[in-house]
Order: sequence, then structure tokens, then C-alpha cells
Amino acid sequence: YVLTQPPSVSVAPGQTARITCGGNNLRSQSVHWYQQRPGQAPVLVVYDDSDRPSGIPERFSGSNSENTATLTISGVGAGDEADYYCQVWDGTSDFAVFGGGTKLTVL
Amino acid sequence: VQLVQSGADVKKPGSSVKVSCRTSGGTFNTYAISWVRQAPGQGLEWMGGIIPVFHTPTYAQKFQGRVSITTDESTSTTYMELNSLISLDTAVYYCARGGGDFDYVDNTASYDAFDTWGQGTMVIVSS
Repeated sequence: YVLTQPPSVSVAPGQTARITCGGNNLRSQSVHWYQQRPGQAPVLVVYDDSDRPSGIPERFSGSNSENTATLTISGVGAGDEADYYCQVWDGTSDFAVFGGGTKLTVL
Repeated sequence: VQLVQSGADVKKPGSSVKVSCRTSGGTFNTYAISWVRQAPGQGLEWMGGIIPVFHTPTYAQKFQGRVSITTDESTSTTYMELNSLISLDTAVYYCARGGGDFDYVDNTASYDAFDTWGQGTMVIVSS
């Protein structure tokens, strides 16, 4: 199973960033999103398509429809500059799949 | 909950490495521990995982036969051993925890999101 992400997304401070994750019939999967700042371990920011772990700001939201899941970050700031990865559990092959990652740059 | 990993290691090609991950401050047996690696400048790659109470690891096909994931319930520690190391195995190795289930009838696993991560262990494979 393959998850496809754009290599990079750029957005001005205060604007809304949208990072996509494409996969065949993705709507049937639960999509999770991770933020990874340079030199740090990943952090879960959205799970099961659209739920937020405790401590994650409401600015982070997720959606999933047909073949594309989207992570939306509103009011982007310098602290949001990071790599973002989507991930699903492939029940057919019994393993976790990550997208290739998207580098978010705040202009 | 915290996941505390062992320190960095340097290995020769052809040798093996064993990385540990201790679960601190939370339930150990019923949560899945996965191992995810990240080569320099590259993305995340899932290697395999285990739910301690079920004692049966699940491995990514790419690593089948070369990786072994085990647990020590007495110390709430999970281990990942990778054999026959090559230079391309140079990476940061993370353990990550999340919910999960294992079906003995179908011998299949299902893992939820990874909500807690270890600090990472750098493994360098070099002659």
C-alpha cells in the first residue's frame, strides 16, 4: 500500500496550510498524522482521520475522503515548520505504512 | 508514559545490533510497541512491532528473517535486534507505542496510531 504526499508546502505566517496524503480507497482506512521537527522524534498530531491527542492545538485538524486525506493547520507560525507524515495500518499485509513526508515551510 | 531507549551504537558490516526501549510510567503488556527507523535525510519506515501480552511479533516483509523483536515483561522493556548489518542500515531507530490487537485465529495484528515515541537511537554501520 502506497501513501503519496507532496514533498513540500509553503505558506505565509498566519495563513492556512493544507497537506495532502493520497492512497487507493483511503477513506476505508484510519489515517494518522505526525509532526517531526528537525532532530526530534515524531509527535502524533491527528489520529483516526480527524481526532486530536490531548495537548495538540485546535489549529490542527484532519479530514479523509475517497482517495485523499488532508491535514489542515490554521494560523501557521514559525513553530509549525517541520516535516509531516501520514500513516495507516495496512490490514491486508499487516504492517504500518508511512507517506514520504511533507516539509512545511513558513515563509 | 515515557519510552526510554538505549544509547547510540557503532557496528561493523555483517554484525548485529540490539536496541532496547523501556516503558516507564504506564501499562506495558497490552499496548503495541513498534520499531520505526529513519535513515539520514529520509522518511519514516516501520520495521515491526509486538503486543507483549500476545507474545507474537509482526514484521514488515522487508525485514523478515533479519529482525527480531522481543520483550522482557519483568523490566517493561522491548528489544529490537537487526542482523547482517549493511551501511544502508545506518539510521535513527525509534520505538513507538500505541493501541493494538492480535487475532490468534487469523494470526493477524492491527495497530492504532503511535501516540508515544522514544527519543531515538542512532546506529551507525561502518567499517
